[in-house]
Amino acid sequence: QKEVEQNSGPLSVPEGAIASLNCTYSDRGSQSFFWYRQYSGKSPELIMSIYSNGDKEDGRFTAQLNKASQYVSLLIRDSQPSDSATYLCAVNFRSNFGNEKLTFGTGTRLTIIP
Amino acid sequence: NAGVTQTPKFRILKIGQSMTLQCTQDMNHNYMYWYRQDPGMGLKLIYYSVGAGITDKGEVPNGYNVSRSTTEDFPLRLELAAPSQTSVYFCASSSYNRDSPLHFGNGTRLTVT
Repeated sequence: QKEVEQNSGPLSVPEGAIASLNCTYSDRGSQSFFWYRQYSGKSPELIMSIYSNGDKEDGRFTAQLNKASQYVSLLIRDSQPSDSATYLCAVNFRSNFGNEKLTFGTGTRLTIIP
Repeated sequence: NAGVTQTPKFRILKIGQSMTLQCTQDMNHNYMYWYRQDPGMGLKLIYYSVGAGITDKGEVPNGYNVSRSTTEDFPLRLELAAPSQTSVYFCASSSYNRDSPLHFGNGTRLTVT
């Protein structure tokens, strides 16, 4: 059973601070990792993808991957109230075609406090 | 550019009724997917398709059927609705490789009573 684990939260962070979201996964052979953001009542949207060990930065977002520890994280710098959402970690467990083996975690609900 | 379009947005079914959730995409994506999302849970894959005429089961296919006669359309059929199928259903598409992001529709909120 391929698993993706996230702390469901809620995680409350003051505006302007760094929000840190964590995710662990069960399959060492996993190759691609994604963070999706989902506002309440809306569909998920991709905010970050990462494939290699280390950090990947995009604006205020940094994804971190450690394959040896089977751990992926998302940092949000200078948190804004508009960052309040549920963040879904998704791991592609060696799909043969597209995303048919993409497994989602249950999500972490993040609230930014003004 | 419409992206992925799902209809209807909301639906209430009685137990035993059937319905079809519609999904169409205009991005010429080969891959299409149906997910369900229960409250407080992640998305679970119901069925997927790698191209017209080719479909396969995902993690939770029981109680559902799909077809893919064209690249654009991927309808999901519920034959005998059960309360356990109360959920939010998302259709998604992606392009040709496994690292391509999913593009989601706006979802269908289905209640079975």
